[in-house]
Amino acid sequence: QKEVEQNSGPLSVPEGAIASLNCTYSDRGSQSFFWYRQYSGKSPELIMSIYSNGDKEDGRFTAQLNKASQYVSLLIRDSQPSDSATYLCAVVSGGGADGLTFGKGTHLIIQP
Amino acid sequence: ETGVTQSPTHLIKTRGQQVTLRCSSQSGHNTVSWYQQALGQGPQFIFQYYREEENGRGNFPPRFSGLQFPNYSSELNVNALELDDSALYLCASSSRAGGLVTDTQYFGPGTRLTVL
Repeated sequence: QKEVEQNSGPLSVPEGAIASLNCTYSDRGSQSFFWYRQYSGKSPELIMSIYSNGDKEDGRFTAQLNKASQYVSLLIRDSQPSDSATYLCAVVSGGGADGLTFGKGTHLIIQP
Repeated sequence: ETGVTQSPTHLIKTRGQQVTLRCSSQSGHNTVSWYQQALGQGPQFIFQYYREEENGRGNFPPRFSGLQFPNYSSELNVNALELDDSALYLCASSSRAGGLVTDTQYFGPGTRLTVL
């Protein structure tokens, strides 16, 4: 069974600091990796996608992928109170017909 | 805003009833996936529709069924509702061309279903 694991938190980070969110996955055949942000009562919003080993940067966000270790991470630089949300890691295997497999999410709190 | 719409926003049903949820995909997208998100959990994949056919299915019983229409919009039907079906139901659209799935999925606002 394909699994995605995340620390549920809450992860508390001071405003302006770097927030580091981690995710591991069980299926070595996984090919596509995503980070979604979900505010309470809202639907998931795509932040980043990553497909190759290494780092991918988009503004204040950096996604890191290590397929050998089956590990994905998201770094948020200069954290803002508006970044407080649940961050969901999602993985796709094969052709994508199995849909996204999500972790339970990490609850991030940015303290002003 | 992703351009994916869902209706209704909220719904209350009683155990044993049937429910239909609707989704309109983002312009240019031809694939619709449905997810169930229970409180405090990540979304769980129900099924995916492409070219009006079910293209993949998660670990959900047959009382969860769906349709996709020629305009790529979709319905999720749940029969014989159970209390545990209470959840946020999410629709996500994506595009597929030439057999390759561009698997970035964009979510609609969701339908909150409460079963009493």
